[in-house]
Amino acid sequence: GAGVSQSPSNKVTEKGKDVELRCDPISGHTALYWYRQSLGQGLEFLIYFQGNSAPDKSGLPSDRFSAERTGGSVSTLTIQRTQQEDSAVYLCASSPRGGGNQPQHFGDGTRLSIL
Amino acid sequence: AQSVTQPDIHITVSEGASLELRCNYSYGATPYLFWYVQSPGQGLQLLLKYFSGDTLVQGIKGFEAEFKRSQSSFNLRKPSVHWSDAAEYFCAVGLYSSASKIIFGSGTRLSIRP
Repeated sequence: GAGVSQSPSNKVTEKGKDVELRCDPISGHTALYWYRQSLGQGLEFLIYFQGNSAPDKSGLPSDRFSAERTGGSVSTLTIQRTQQEDSAVYLCASSPRGGGNQPQHFGDGTRLSIL
Repeated sequence: AQSVTQPDIHITVSEGASLELRCNYSYGATPYLFWYVQSPGQGLQLLLKYFSGDTLVQGIKGFEAEFKRSQSSFNLRKPSVHWSDAAEYFCAVGLYSSASKIIFGSGTRLSIRP
């Protein structure tokens, strides 16, 4: 596909379960970002991958959150022992290169609901 | 630290009326500036960007934005809104550095009155 693809589009799970969210960036894009958007709120930065550099994890809210990017392409965001406050839309974005001058291309997000 | 402020949380305008959404940034140098739009249930789409040069930039869907250095502002405008413009609008700033991230404002929700 031509755009950023995220799966699943919706996820409902029980409190305490672990969840994995997937992001397929645009082919050739070296930079990948994860954001969280709570209901009616702006974007909260979570983590940033740029090429082979160590990821910027400064936005991860707790050690229950982690992310990987395998082979410089697909990324997985994992939330362990989910809590109700984790309910949100998780957005992934990619850009051709890293840096603040690079427009980001967004997926449609994964809507996560914790019961 | 750089920051971006969108002072209006929610704006309602009549269809066909003009629109201006405000954005102010805080940084010592001129950052790169962006406006994105988010329709319900979708990700963000880039409307326009400013890097340098002409301070009035044109974007998609008939939007434009004007960079004013003296006011540290980058307001988004449209001469005549359509019902399909109802969405959330985000202003964003970035710095030139491979380690730099884009910082997003909190967004302005636009509603269109028939």
